[in-house]
Amino acid sequence: AQSVTQLDSQVPVFEEAPVELRCNYSSSVSVYLFWYVQYPNQGLQLLLKYLSGSTLVKGINGFEAEFNKSQTSFHLRKPSVHISDTAEYFCAVSEASGNTPLVFGKGTRLSVIA
Amino acid sequence: DAGITQSPRHKVTETGTPVTLRCHQTENHRYMYWYRQDPGHGLRLIHYSYGVKDTDKGEVSDGYSVSRSKTEDFLLTLESATSSQTSVYFCAISGTGENEQFFGPGTRLTVL
Repeated sequence: AQSVTQLDSQVPVFEEAPVELRCNYSSSVSVYLFWYVQYPNQGLQLLLKYLSGSTLVKGINGFEAEFNKSQTSFHLRKPSVHISDTAEYFCAVSEASGNTPLVFGKGTRLSVIA
Repeated sequence: DAGITQSPRHKVTETGTPVTLRCHQTENHRYMYWYRQDPGHGLRLIHYSYGVKDTDKGEVSDGYSVSRSKTEDFLLTLESATSSQTSVYFCAISGTGENEQFFGPGTRLTVL
């Protein structure tokens, strides 16, 4: 079974500052990793995913994440945030075997301050 | 956007009443999932389906049942709703061989 820990439940950051949202996972098998974003009163939208290959993954809206197998981490970063990035961010993991259900972290609420 | 709709979008019901939530997709994807979202818990899997009439339980399946009689529809039923089932329910779909899941807009259910 897999588990995901998002280390920060809330992250406030000033506009145009960099941000890192931390995610650690636990699994006895190979995994796929995902970051989803949820804007207020909306569903979840995929930001980026790691399936294999390069450990640095680029996603939409200027976000990127780095897969670190030795530290079992998949931290999300953005060099300069905007007010519109205010949302809840979820890290998720699945077995690397196709169409297995996702296991989600509890989420990190990013608040961008003007 | 993936063609996923959920109905109803909002529902208020009373303890002990049956409730059915519907997820409808137009993508012809094989896999469908039901999650619930609660503050401080993220999203948790209730049930999922890997084909017509093929379903399996997730982490929080107690009190819920599902049915999938055709590819495009996945129904979630609360046989006798309880206040602990007040939540936002999300449906998701994925295609064969893919791991990316596409999410519907959610259903906000309140059980009084």
